[in-house]
Amino acid sequence: DARVTQTPRHKVTEMGQEVTMRCQPILGHNTVFWYRQTMMQGLELLAYFRNRAPLDDSGMPKDRFSAEMPDATLATLKIQPSEPRDSAVYFCASGLNAGTSYEQYFGPGTRLTVT
Amino acid sequence: DAKTTQPNSMESNEEEPVHLPCNHSTISGTDYIHWYRQLPSQGPEYVIHGLTSNVNNRMASLAIAEDRKSSTLILHRATLRDAAVYYCILRDVRFTSGTYKYIFGTGTRLKVLA
Repeated sequence: DARVTQTPRHKVTEMGQEVTMRCQPILGHNTVFWYRQTMMQGLELLAYFRNRAPLDDSGMPKDRFSAEMPDATLATLKIQPSEPRDSAVYFCASGLNAGTSYEQYFGPGTRLTVT
Repeated sequence: DAKTTQPNSMESNEEEPVHLPCNHSTISGTDYIHWYRQLPSQGPEYVIHGLTSNVNNRMASLAIAEDRKSSTLILHRATLRDAAVYYCILRDVRFTSGTYKYIFGTGTRLKVLA
């Protein structure tokens, strides 16, 4: 049963520290999405990649967030420096863009707490 | 971006059918209608999607209005495990990039009563 994996599952850090979240998409999927979920804002799309190329990161605060795909099996989301308002659950999702519509498979999320 | 409107919450009795409505009056002709649900402490999971015709799968049925301005997700027999937030989403197509992104709304929180 193929699944999207995310590490770490939980992260507590102090304001100003760098945070790196990792995602392993489902093998063979060519599209990766990063979302952030908070009680106030709900699910927000931060960035997405197709065939490892970034297509849209307009939802991401540019000054402190960065997203990359070093290879097809790893996507990373970094926050530097982190702030308390970054506290949220960060989800990675992957999909296979092989037609006009496809489903996204979400990982379990990384719960980030910045103190 | 085309938007969807859903009730904030709904309740259902266990083993009874549930009809979850979604309004999308600004839908465009090529927008697919997707439904996802999010169980407590989990990431969202795909439920079903459709374009014009009604769709059925092992999880649910999707009924799409003839004018496509609304749709209804049907759970035929609700179980306690179906308690979740259900999101109705329109696919936002970006033809220039050949891919698209979802815009999640606030969803409908379904409570299933034993």
